[in-house]
Amino acid sequence: DQQVKQNSPSLSVQEGRISILNCDYTNSMFDYFLWYKKYPAEGPTFLISISSIKDKNEDGRFTVFLNKSAKHLSLHIVPSQPGDSAVYFCAASSSANAGGTSYGKLTFGQGTILTVHP
Amino acid sequence: DTGVSQDPRHKITKRGQNVTFRCDPISEHNRLYWYRQTLGQGPEFLTYFQNEAQLEKSRLLSDRFSAERPKGSFSTLEIQRTEQGDSAMYLCASSRRQGAYNSPLHFGNGTRLTVT
Repeated sequence: DQQVKQNSPSLSVQEGRISILNCDYTNSMFDYFLWYKKYPAEGPTFLISISSIKDKNEDGRFTVFLNKSAKHLSLHIVPSQPGDSAVYFCAASSSANAGGTSYGKLTFGQGTILTVHP
Repeated sequence: DTGVSQDPRHKITKRGQNVTFRCDPISEHNRLYWYRQTLGQGPEFLTYFQNEAQLEKSRLLSDRFSAERPKGSFSTLEIQRTEQGDSAMYLCASSRRQGAYNSPLHFGNGTRLTVT
């Protein structure tokens, strides 16, 4: 039962262009969403998050969009840089079972390998 | 912020042996998590501590697995009678309460376990 899905195993873009990574979820109880980036031999690093009360959150070159009706979120990276080449994971959590506060029981997607070519 | 530290980075063991991994969280973080990641998959939640209390365990955590966090500081994850299916990257993460949500999880670089 894959509750968070990243259907594109890989994405290749040219430096300076936009990278769009997509993620779908099935559990309507999820109310907090995150994107993590992972380099080889390192642990995942937090990038950006969004709560379900918003539909957009921006941090520098990174923007996350949330479409609750479609149960879909996306990460936009503009402009893409070669150093952005990594595996990107989306993750989701639910506050429903945690006394009204989200905690760190994250459900991750399978990841998308982003390659940015110079 | 010295980051989450995990030891060892790699462990190769024979089937049936016991192994123990250690995690040192970021010092001001009171929440600690263990995740497991297999090839081609995202990390999967195993268990979670708030201070020294283990508050939730995943059904992935069979009775061969035990985690502790004495005194609410470092944590250990022990796997008894290892099986080849236990081969994976074991990730530790920590966080602190931040308003209505957690602060984002900070992950360590993991311990890669290979069971031969």
